[in-house]
Amino acid sequence: GESVGLHLPTLSVQEGDNSIINCAYSNSASDYFIWYKQESGKGPQFIIDIRSNMDKRQGQRVTVLLNKTVKHLSLQIAATQPGDSAVYFCAENPRERTYKYIFGTGTRLKVLA
Amino acid sequence: DTAVSQTPKYLVTQMGNDKSIKCEQNLGHDTMYWYKQDSKKFLKIMFSYNNKELIINETVPNRFSPKSPDKAHLNLHINSLELGDSAVYFCASSSPGLAGKNEQFFGPGTRLTVL
Repeated sequence: GESVGLHLPTLSVQEGDNSIINCAYSNSASDYFIWYKQESGKGPQFIIDIRSNMDKRQGQRVTVLLNKTVKHLSLQIAATQPGDSAVYFCAENPRERTYKYIFGTGTRLKVLA
Repeated sequence: DTAVSQTPKYLVTQMGNDKSIKCEQNLGHDTMYWYKQDSKKFLKIMFSYNNKELIINETVPNRFSPKSPDKAHLNLHINSLELGDSAVYFCASSSPGLAGKNEQFFGPGTRLTVL
């Protein structure tokens, strides 16, 4: 089992509420960012991306906000559903062609019925 | 159709053994990756290959040797397995530089347990 202090940050939300998952990134030169969703026993799946020349991008039920001043990303999920329960990661790409993605530590989203 | 596939899904082995994990992608991507995910879910890049050429090697012990026979395959061989190698290993692929998305597509993972 897991030890105390080693748990992922967890966000618990009621079904139907909106969720906001935050991420601080490390490299001010990063110009491309992705949010991934990882369900139990599966690999990460792309949700939405954003380039550094934008501060907001919307998808279906999801919105990503980018604040370059404080190197912060957030993922907003509207009307959270049980199927949204997963671990969410942000990833930054320092320069688009460097092939290197740096992942954040992840946040576990629990949707309460 | 599976975009990125890995075999095996589970691998249990003794310390000191040598093992391989295979990865194949049918997306036509030119770049493939290996990531290690530890028990705290931290996901860290290990290697990246572009057109069969190694372009990222993130201070991984040389017991880990990736091999890319062609653009669609990137295998990971691990010699002299240690307890600390226990983790889930993910293969991924992408085509960086294309206009628009630059996402990576991940395989289902291989859970390696070293006893």
